[in-house]
Amino acid sequence: KAGVTQTPRYLIKTRGQQVTLSCSPISGHRSVSWYQQTPGQGLQFLFEYFSETQRNKGNFPGRFSGRQFSNSRSEMNVSTLELGDSALYLCASSPGGTMGNQPQHFGDGTRLSIL
Amino acid sequence: SQQGEEDPQALSIQEGENATMNCSYKTSINNLQWYRQNSGRGLVHLILIRSNEREKHSGRLRVTLDTSKKSSSLLITASRAADTASYFCATDAEAGGTSYGKLTFGQGTILTVHP
Repeated sequence: KAGVTQTPRYLIKTRGQQVTLSCSPISGHRSVSWYQQTPGQGLQFLFEYFSETQRNKGNFPGRFSGRQFSNSRSEMNVSTLELGDSALYLCASSPGGTMGNQPQHFGDGTRLSIL
Repeated sequence: SQQGEEDPQALSIQEGENATMNCSYKTSINNLQWYRQNSGRGLVHLILIRSNEREKHSGRLRVTLDTSKKSSSLLITASRAADTASYFCATDAEAGGTSYGKLTFGQGTILTVHP
């Protein structure tokens, strides 16, 4: 099985722009979670989608949004970029369903740099 | 905010030695997971231990969980240079219910294994 694929791998933007990151989960996985990783704050949960519905959300401003498509692929969007948004954005998939947390399978992330 | 605190922050050992990393967390949990992250890559799931388990093994890995002390440890035996990576513990922070794809990570331990 192919793993979780995130595109693009690297992205450079300037303040005030917006950006869209893409994540293709493992085939058959219906849950997709997004995380932000920075040296200062570590790994922080952004949100989780299952069957095109956001089921959980972390403590990030409304500039951070996401969606999931019927094929379980997910995108996250960040608008009005700030310098502090520079980070590694990681996507993770799991089978989902009604079970509690399951092992998550991570992509290699998108490295976003804001100039 | 980070659920877990990991100790030590950095660990440097020789090949063949054992490496022990500790993790403490704050709230009740359903399960605790350990992940590895190689530089610039995504996280790889290592092991999941449920709150009613005390010890779990997987190959050269041994994980213990003490829910009364809200702590866990990861032991890597007979370490190899390829084990060099950052190691994170992660919890589902809401006991008794589903936290839908949200993992709360510790700050991680950077392990360096010298050949």
